Formats: sequence, C-alpha cells, structure tokens
Amino acid sequence: DTGVSQDPRHKITKRGQNVTFRCDPISEHNRLYWYRQTLGQGPEFLTYFQNEAQLEKSRLLSDRFSAERPKGSFSTLEIQRTEQGDSAMYLCASSFPGFSGPLTGELFFGEGSRLTVL
Amino acid sequence: KNEVEQSPQNLTAQEGEFITINCSYSVGISALHWLQQHPGGGIVSLFMLSSGKKKHGRLIATINIQEKHSSLHITASHPRDSAVYICAVRWRGSQGNLIFGKGTKLSVKP
Repeated sequence: DTGVSQDPRHKITKRGQNVTFRCDPISEHNRLYWYRQTLGQGPEFLTYFQNEAQLEKSRLLSDRFSAERPKGSFSTLEIQRTEQGDSAMYLCASSFPGFSGPLTGELFFGEGSRLTVL
Repeated sequence: KNEVEQSPQNLTAQEGEFITINCSYSVGISALHWLQQHPGGGIVSLFMLSSGKKKHGRLIATINIQEKHSSLHITASHPRDSAVYICAVRWRGSQGNLIFGKGTKLSVKP
C-alpha cells in the first residue's frame, strides 16, 4: 500500500500522559499536514511541513503539542501532558506542491489516529 | 460566522436522485477542495478546484470565484454515496492552512 499511513490507529491514555503519533506520507510528496477533528466537526489545521521545514503552525497548537519531520519523510506529532479536551481524531495528509495539473495540490489523507484521553 | 459554510447540514435522498451540496466562503482563496469522509474517519479527496468545473464519473464540482461559492453535484445517486462531504478552502497567503466546513451528511436510501 503506497498511501498515507498513520500509527497507531487508536490510542487510549490517561490524563497527564504523553502520546506520540506517526505519519508516513506518500514517498514523492514533500508537503505534509496535520489536522485535528472532533466529533461532528470538520477538521482543523494544526501544522504543515514542506520537506523538513515546519512552515505554519495553528494557534490551536499549544505548547504541549510539537511536531517534527526530521528527514523530510515521516512526521511525528507529540502531545505532552494530555488533557481530556485533546480527545479527537488526528489526521495526516500529504500532497505534491503547486496547483496546476491533475494531481498537484491534491490532498491524500491517512486513516487517522483516534485519541481518547480518560 | 464560520468562514466556510456548507448547506444542507444533513441530506437524505432516494437512490437515483440528483444531489447538490453547496459551499460558501468568505475569504479570498487560491483553491477549494471537496472531500468525502466515510464512517470510521477515512477522508478521500474528490476534487481540487481553482476555477470552473470538474467532472469525475457521477460527481461534478463547480466554483464561482466572484460569488465565493462552490457546488458538488452527484448524479444518479447510490447508497454507496452515503458519507459526509466536506468543503475546504486554501486561503490566499497560506500554503498549508485549509479552512474546513463542518460537512454535509448524505444518506442515500435504496
């Protein structure tokens, strides 16, 4: 399977614990995005990488959240000292750059990592 | 007011009906995405538009930049089209920050 993969698919943790999610994008894609989605809502942007550079971060991303993409391939999203409000689906997507052509700019999503904080 | 508004929020249709889902936005954009999300979370990109119209199978997406409006049409709807359809805009000045609508939940009855 050459799609976007996320791990783990589900994570249940106790409040105060740290969690880390991993995203492996499609190999040719240099852009990688993290989004968060709560029940009944559309996804919300968290952060975006072009290669290894983190180019944008949402104000939603508090100090407890950190994301990395050290070699410009896979990315990790870490949440420290989790709170119940962090419970959500964390979605990763990747894309080619640009807006011309049939596929450039099109987003490819992973299946998501569902976090439940007890 | 949300920057991206979708209507309707919920839609029930009979198999075979022509379906339209609307998306209005209030910011200047460089592109608009239509996405499909099935129960369980997986999101599939249907279209990315910056102008005009695109067609893929039974799906048609249109955008009117001047009116800040896009529509997703499904012809000859089928129960397997049942899903949440999400409109997302890439606003000018941002390469990564998509603003998403809340989605339209479509249920197609046989």
